[in-house]
Amino acid sequence: EAGVAQSPRYKIIEKRQSVAFWCNPISGHATLYWYQQILGQGPKLLIQFQNNGVVDDSQLPKDRFSAERLKGVDSTLKIQPAKLEDSAVYLCASSSIAGGLGEQFFGPGTRLTVL
Amino acid sequence: AQSVTQLDSHVSVSEGTPVLLRCNYSSSYSPSLFWYVQHPNKGLQLLLKYTSAATLVKGINGFEAEFKKSETSFHLTKPSAHMSDAAEYFCVVRGEYGNKLVFGAGTILRVKS
Repeated sequence: EAGVAQSPRYKIIEKRQSVAFWCNPISGHATLYWYQQILGQGPKLLIQFQNNGVVDDSQLPKDRFSAERLKGVDSTLKIQPAKLEDSAVYLCASSSIAGGLGEQFFGPGTRLTVL
Repeated sequence: AQSVTQLDSHVSVSEGTPVLLRCNYSSSYSPSLFWYVQHPNKGLQLLLKYTSAATLVKGINGFEAEFKKSETSFHLTKPSAHMSDAAEYFCVVRGEYGNKLVFGAGTILRVKS
């Protein structure tokens, strides 16, 4: 089966610009996650969707970050305006079991550099 | 809150020698624990998971981990390292609610020929 797809793979922007990332989960996976991985650290969950509803966004900086999953399939994560400390790899993952307790499958990530 | 501590940021071994990557966890209840591997420019891949069944868990590529409640540890081992094992390894605990994963800081494994 096809894995989790993410685009773009790399993005370089200047601070205060906006940027958007796209994720297409594995077909049929109801739960989708966005993680932020800063260099030298483990991934940190930003937001979790169950179908098109938000389950957990407690660590999402809502003043600048937003995410949506309008049709319960693919998702976009947006940063506006970007700060230097947003430089990181943004990982998307999906899982299949109802209630989201299945194995999470990760995409290759989008590496963001903010100058 | 659940957390994990990976005790080594870098581990270097020679090809053919054993691998030991150490992880301690903190949890207010019986945890679900995982090890993930991340090769350069590739996505995270699940190596193995512990979910309160057998305490010795076998994973892919010859890796295994032992859950020790008395020591709050979940160390990852492999009897003989291969060059292809060079990667970053993450110890992970499932959060208290939903399926949130809490990652350790990672251990970079270097395998010398």
